[in-house]
Amino acid sequence: NAGVMQNPRHLVRRRGQEARLRCSPMKGHSHVYWYRQLPEEGLKFMVYLQKENIIDESGMPKERFSAEFPKEGPSILRIQQVVRGDSAAYFCASSPPVDGVNEKLFFGSGTQLSVL
Amino acid sequence: EDKVVQSPLSLVVHEGDTVTLNCSYEVTNFRSLLWYKQEKKAPTFLFMLTSSGIEKKSGRLSSILDKKELSSILNITATQTGDSAIYLCAVEDNNAGNMLTFGGGTRLMVKP
Repeated sequence: NAGVMQNPRHLVRRRGQEARLRCSPMKGHSHVYWYRQLPEEGLKFMVYLQKENIIDESGMPKERFSAEFPKEGPSILRIQQVVRGDSAAYFCASSPPVDGVNEKLFFGSGTQLSVL
Repeated sequence: EDKVVQSPLSLVVHEGDTVTLNCSYEVTNFRSLLWYKQEKKAPTFLFMLTSSGIEKKSGRLSSILDKKELSSILNITATQTGDSAIYLCAVEDNNAGNMLTFGGGTRLMVKP
């Protein structure tokens, strides 16, 4: 859905570098979700954020991964000291603050992270 | 922990064929089941199902939920090459807000 903007579309990093993935939710949406999709697999939930709050990070690896959604600006998913296993497509989705939207989540086009 | 299993993993058919994709789930406190189509980019919404036995239809696609069997099917009739995609099933848990648990997807390829 063009309304959720993710950048960059493709990101190449060498092992040990940091990766920063950005997500701007749809206008009026205050809930952001990050999902990871490994090749040939479905989407796996990572973290759910509202403005300035992490609501659920049960899907985030305990080390090297962090996420934020500041009062101003996009949500950032940060991966420190990347390893080859981090190579995946990372999707951001947003939803409105009030439930009742049929589509539930609006997805961005994803960032394809490749770790060399 | 909520769980979604889709079958088959992949499917190759010819244009005009009818296909049925399966989704079974385990969820603590079921709220809804959703189907998405994923081509090369973002998953796009197809259906949301909350009640058993009520078919949802959109053109050549239809879907139905069976809460007793904890499953859903997605049917595509008169398939076209443009239907080639990964079809994702997801469930929503009442205890988890808008967070969805996805299955691994069914990769459909429609040959001319």
